[in-house]
Formats: sequence, structure tokens, C-alpha cells
Amino acid sequence: DTEVTQTPKHLVMGMTNKKSLKCEQHMGHRAMYWYKQKAKKPPELMFVYSYEKLSINESVPSRFSPECPNSSLLNLHLHALQPEDSALYLCASSQDPGDRQFFGPGTRLTVL
Amino acid sequence: GQSLEQPSEVTAVEGAIVQINCTYQTSGFYGLSWYQQHDGGAPTFLSYNALDGLEETGRFSSFLSRSDSYGYLLLQELQMKDSASYFCAVGNNAGNMLTFGGGTRLMVKP
Repeated sequence: DTEVTQTPKHLVMGMTNKKSLKCEQHMGHRAMYWYKQKAKKPPELMFVYSYEKLSINESVPSRFSPECPNSSLLNLHLHALQPEDSALYLCASSQDPGDRQFFGPGTRLTVL
Repeated sequence: GQSLEQPSEVTAVEGAIVQINCTYQTSGFYGLSWYQQHDGGAPTFLSYNALDGLEETGRFSSFLSRSDSYGYLLLQELQMKDSASYFCAVGNNAGNMLTFGGGTRLMVKP
């Protein structure tokens, strides 16, 4: 298995909703990442998990809450989002931190 | 800190060869990787250089010169489907992250 999967593909939520994004990889990778990407911009790093521990939080607002239940799974819990949080949310994994990364297909999030 | 520079747009014709350059600044260089992203899609990994020289994968090749802090992606026999954004990204061994360049939008014309 050489892919990263993400669910859901699309998500529409109101500002008072709570939802979660899910990411899974079975490549034995030791690092997993969450990115946010706006149109025509590069991916913007949000969080890095290295060996299941949060190693980087790029000053992300607390309405985004990551969780790494095990070495294959990564969640992003969303609560009280703002319309400007609408974006493509990408999960990625790499063999080692800082190594080449493999991306999932992303979740297209719309906040109303 | 880390930073990367790449051209914002490149246009080429079908069947041609195009080179996308990337210069970077980083401490503790780990590797330079390249990603392709079509509109509406996710980045897909294309090529990676940890050491100086050329890496070839089919129609795509990537080159690295660590002494010049420079790399490029070479696309040969361009096809219409190669129209996409291309990102270079550099990793460093002091942290756990990649830093992405701003992306190069490649337009392939008939």
C-alpha cells in the first residue's frame, strides 16, 4: 500500500459545527503532516507529528485540533471555524521527518 | 529560516523540453523534492535529490547542486496533461518539515 487516504473528500460546515478530518497511511512512515492550501498558493504547514508526537504547531488557531491515535492515523478536529478557513486540507506522510512527502487527495472544506 | 525561489509561470509547446529552476536557502540541507499539482487536485511527488547530480524518472528529471543551492526539474516531450503547478520543496535535518517554493505554473500549448 503506497498511498495516503483522506476522508471526507468534501465537507461543508457552519461556523458552529464540530467535524473531523481523517487521514491514514500504511507505508510505515514515521512522520505525518497537516497542510492548508488556498487557491494558487503553496501548501501551508499546520502541524507535524513525528513518531506519533506533535513536534510542530505552526501557530495554528485553537479551533484546529490535531490528534494522532496511532502511527497510521491522523485526525484534524474542527470547531467554530470561520469562512476564511475554507480551503483544501492536505495530509501527507514521510518515511522520516524532513524527507520527501506523499500527499493524500485532500479534503475540500467550505465554511458557511 | 528557509526560503525558495522559482519562476511563477512558464509556457512551452507540446513536444518541447522545459526546465523549472529552484534556488533555496536553508540550514542543514536534507533534500530537494518536486511536486506536481493539477488544478483542484493534490500535490503528487515527482522526484527527489539528496545528493548532487541528476535523477531521471521517465520524462521527468531533477538536478541538484548543493554548492550552488540550486536545483531544477526538467520535463521532456511535453504533453498537454503536463499543464499544472510545480513546487520545489526543501527539507532540513534540524527540523521536521519541508518548506515549499511559491510554485511554477506551467502552461503547455499545442
